[in-house]
Amino acid sequence: EAQVTQNPRYLITVTGKKLTVTCSQNMNHEYMSWYRQDPGLGLRQIYYSMNVEVTDKGDVPEGYKVSRKEKRNFPLILESPSPNQTSLYFCASSPSQQGAGKAFFGQGTRLTVV
Amino acid sequence: LAKTTQPISMDSYEGQEVNITCSHNNIATNDYITWYQQFPSQGPRFIIQGYKTKVTNEVASLFIPADRKSSTLSLPRVSLSDTAVYYCLVGARGYQKVTFGIGTKLQVIP
Repeated sequence: EAQVTQNPRYLITVTGKKLTVTCSQNMNHEYMSWYRQDPGLGLRQIYYSMNVEVTDKGDVPEGYKVSRKEKRNFPLILESPSPNQTSLYFCASSPSQQGAGKAFFGQGTRLTVV
Repeated sequence: LAKTTQPISMDSYEGQEVNITCSHNNIATNDYITWYQQFPSQGPRFIIQGYKTKVTNEVASLFIPADRKSSTLSLPRVSLSDTAVYYCLVGARGYQKVTFGIGTKLQVIP
């Protein structure tokens, strides 16, 4: 089944403790992207990647890192999480010719930083 | 990317046709119009994309006037399961950076 898989689905952590949210897709897509969703602010793009070793900042990259060492994986790294990073996170992928215009999204990761 | 404007919320009764209009006055020649649907606590789901005139699939229709400065997503005979947030996006094929905004929250009433 074609899908984008995020792990974990739920995470509660403490301020300053490094964490990684994994994202993997099995559709051989070139484009992958991370978003956060907060009430009243909609979906905001954090980082995106058009291919292996190619990443770029979205609208809200501060406090986040990403890496794209393999085509299928695009982990989101929070080196020192803070409470303002409490949010619902989504990973997405699509073929390069579609980019963000026809993306498949994961089920989301609900992160709480206390 | 062209800026888009859509209503924040809409209510509709079950069985009615719902039309959600998105304004994109600065749409560029190469831009496509894409609509996503998002149910609570789920990731957005692509529902339809178009360039001009009318596009129809099993889920919805997309009407785009000749000047392309707006578009209308039409959901025929909605049911309670169509309650969701609908996002309108505009960008060239393969665009990478995107702003979803807050979308239109559609509430279907029994």
